[in-house]
Amino acid sequence: EDQVTQSPEALRLQEGESSSLNCSYTVSGLRGLFWYRQDPGKGPEFLFTLYSAGEEKEKERLKATLTKKESFLHITAPKPEDSATYLCAVKAAGNKLTFGGGTRVLVKP
Amino acid sequence: DAGVTQSPTHLIKTRGQQVTLRCSPKSGHDTVSWYQQALGQGPQFIFQYYEEEERQRGNFPDRFSGHQFPNYSSELNVNALLLGDSALYLCASRGQDNSPLHFGNGTRLTVT
Repeated sequence: EDQVTQSPEALRLQEGESSSLNCSYTVSGLRGLFWYRQDPGKGPEFLFTLYSAGEEKEKERLKATLTKKESFLHITAPKPEDSATYLCAVKAAGNKLTFGGGTRVLVKP
Repeated sequence: DAGVTQSPTHLIKTRGQQVTLRCSPKSGHDTVSWYQQALGQGPQFIFQYYEEEERQRGNFPDRFSGHQFPNYSSELNVNALLLGDSALYLCASRGQDNSPLHFGNGTRLTVT
């Protein structure tokens, strides 16, 4: 069965303090690894899709990377508006996404 | 361009009752999925609908059922509600295969 584990569960950063979130996965036949951002009371908002080891995607202060066993979401010089829960998900057979538990990020000014 | 819309936004029900949640997909999308998100956890897949048929189902009991209409909108029905069914129910839609899912803001269901 597909499994996704995210760490840490929570992260407190000072504004400008760069850090990385980890997403470890076990899946048979990866068809895509997805990163989403979720604000309180809202649905997940799509950030990136990665398909193969070595692939990288960037958007503003966020950069996602992928290996055969894990993905990292790097947050460079974060701002308070980057505070959110970041969710990682994998897609294998079929079309369902299997999500990790998320990392809650709080960026203090 | 409207995204995925869900109604109602909040709902309070009593144990044993039945509930229906509604979803309109993003314009141009024809595939709808439903997810359950308990507090502090990641979303869990319930099922997916395409061409008005259930195509894939997660590990949820038969109390959870759904429907997709010809205009691609969808309903999630939950019978015999349990306290443990309290959660945020998310609807997501997509177009062509392997395109990313777009989520609505969910329906917060509280079972008392």
